Amino acid sequence: EVQLVESGGGLVQPGGSLKLSCTASGFTFSGSSMHWVRRASGKGLEWVGRIRGKANTYATTYAASVRGRFTISRDDSKNTAYLQMNSLKTEDTAVYYCTRTTGTLVNFDYWGQGTLVTVSA
Amino acid sequence: QSALTQPASVSGSPGQSITISCTGTSSDVGGYDYISWYQQHPGKAPKLMIHDVSSRPSGVSDRFSGSKSDNTASLTISGLQPEDEADYYCSSYTGSNTWVFGGGTKLTVL
Repeated sequence: EVQLVESGGGLVQPGGSLKLSCTASGFTFSGSSMHWVRRASGKGLEWVGRIRGKANTYATTYAASVRGRFTISRDDSKNTAYLQMNSLKTEDTAVYYCTRTTGTLVNFDYWGQGTLVTVSA
Repeated sequence: QSALTQPASVSGSPGQSITISCTGTSSDVGGYDYISWYQQHPGKAPKLMIHDVSSRPSGVSDRFSGSKSDNTASLTISGLQPEDEADYYCSSYTGSNTWVFGGGTKLTVL
């Protein structure tokens, strides 16, 4: 059974940093691209960014709203993807989900339950 | 990349059909057949309902169907059931290794 479990959320002050983790099981993690998607309260889903696998040199892409502040990485030996968030703003407050795409597919077929990040003074 | 445009809310009675639209541009919805739809119940993770415009993953009811015309994609739910009440999001690949979601539509089953 495919499982994605996020952790690391919490309360952080504006300008601060936080690192989220997404631990995967039930599939070949190294063969999947891992994404982060967020949902702010009362708003819709927003794609945050993606990291590809080793075969694609761990290439990353980001949404314009987070580019230069957020960094996605992965450790295939631990089946874990990470989202390092720096220079956090109040508008980054959201539930953060990890999800995956596999092979040539571009749809998000499995999702974690999410972890809440609150940016507030 | 601007969010795709969805109606904020739709409603229908049990047994009826509803359609949710998702409008983008030629750079996303109109440019690729990589449209997917997600259902999200409160406090739950999103669930993939439709991918590649009109394909259903295994286990998703055939009451859910998708289509696309030019820059607008649509999700139709037929034979509405109470458990269909949820938020629905469309998503499109944009071709520059980025993705975009719609603003979401709240479906109410009356």
